[in-house]
Amino acid sequence: SQQGEEDPQALSIQEGENATMNCSYKTSINNLQWYRQNSGRGLVHLILIRSNEREKHSGRLRVTLDTSKKSSSLLITASRAADTASYFCATEGVNTDKLIFGTGTRLQVFP
Amino acid sequence: DAMVIQNPRYQVTQFGKPVTLSCSQTLNHNVMYWYQQKSSQAPKLLFHYYDKDFNNEADTPDNFQSRRPNTSFCFLDIRSPGLGDAAMYLCATSTDGGGQPQHFGDGTRLSIL
Repeated sequence: SQQGEEDPQALSIQEGENATMNCSYKTSINNLQWYRQNSGRGLVHLILIRSNEREKHSGRLRVTLDTSKKSSSLLITASRAADTASYFCATEGVNTDKLIFGTGTRLQVFP
Repeated sequence: DAMVIQNPRYQVTQFGKPVTLSCSQTLNHNVMYWYQQKSSQAPKLLFHYYDKDFNNEADTPDNFQSRRPNTSFCFLDIRSPGLGDAAMYLCATSTDGGGQPQHFGDGTRLSIL
């Protein structure tokens, strides 16, 4: 069962602009994670935010979590062409060690 | 560098011919996962091992099996591949399962002729 829905499905921006991706989920979670996947490659973990946290930063990445709305957002500031990839949110439910991935956002950053 | 390695990167097999995909890790993680990812879709968990304990997802077809002979290695066996099994297969590891990031290999892209 696919828990996370992401929007937009695709996003095209110019270098230097900010990119925002949103994730919604359905059930209670322990944490929510964001991953990046370059074309034809595996997923790379970006950031993990726990259910009792509201915001987290890592370099140019900012993640927010609103458990009352069951939603999260990933903001990439000052985007670069190298940020071109698919971005997935993944939720870890309560009493489980499994992740359920969202549908992903394909980000294209033009130089 | 500690990592997750999947071999081969590309695998072509014939319809109905058994195929095995392999995954090895140098991270010494006790949890290993196998995902199936079809084009432009989210990764879908097939099964995972917590140490030697095997956990199968309810909707994983019987056609898919797995072996974990030791901490470092894990195999995905597809007994009789069908055209619908063409996909990227991703292996991942984590420590202690819960509340930890997963570390992925670069996947094996499986094609069925």
